[in-house]
Amino acid sequence: DAEITQSPRHKITETGRQVTLACHQTWNHNNMFWYRQDLGHGLRLIHYSYGVQDTNKGEVSDGYSVSRSNTEDLPLTLESAASSQTSVYFCASGDRVAEQYFGPGTRLTVT
Amino acid sequence: QKEVEQDPGPLSVPEGAIVSLNCTYSNSAFQYFMWYRQYSRKGPELLMYTYSSGNKEDGRFTAQVDKSSKYISLFIRDSQPSDSATYLCAMSPRAGGTSYGKLTFGQGTILTVHP
Repeated sequence: DAEITQSPRHKITETGRQVTLACHQTWNHNNMFWYRQDLGHGLRLIHYSYGVQDTNKGEVSDGYSVSRSNTEDLPLTLESAASSQTSVYFCASGDRVAEQYFGPGTRLTVT
Repeated sequence: QKEVEQDPGPLSVPEGAIVSLNCTYSNSAFQYFMWYRQYSRKGPELLMYTYSSGNKEDGRFTAQVDKSSKYISLFIRDSQPSDSATYLCAMSPRAGGTSYGKLTFGQGTILTVHP
């Protein structure tokens, strides 16, 4: 069955370190998205991609970057981790406007 | 002011109750209206969506959109303990262009259905 996976599921890192969160989907979707979820804010869009070599900034993109070298993967990189980036991160994919399939999430703690 | 507002609750109801979850929004460009369900420590999963105004029913779930009031609702009939989760509304502009697939979420409402 097609699916979307994220790794690691939990990560603790120190302030200033570079961190990369992986997202892999087997739906063969062109569109992929990264969100962060924080209490009181719901899900907020960080970056998104409409296809290979395409990346776009979302609502809260400062301090994050993505690259898309193939259809299946959209890794999210925190260039220099900050305590404000402690959050739960969700990757999603979907080629229909109203349908996105979410991964299980990565819980990131920056100390 | 946030584009999408949702009462975070928490909401606690007895089994069998009718549950009403609501969101308001300010962006007139929103055309697609979605409801996601999120169990604890899981990713959100799409429950149902509506395009433009109107109602949509799927089993015990009914989604309503009133664009004139910029107000959407999700009703759950005969609620079950297995419905206990966080419910998130999400909205998107019409398909096409640089806004394709970009969802704006409400804060989520925590629902508990007790036996």
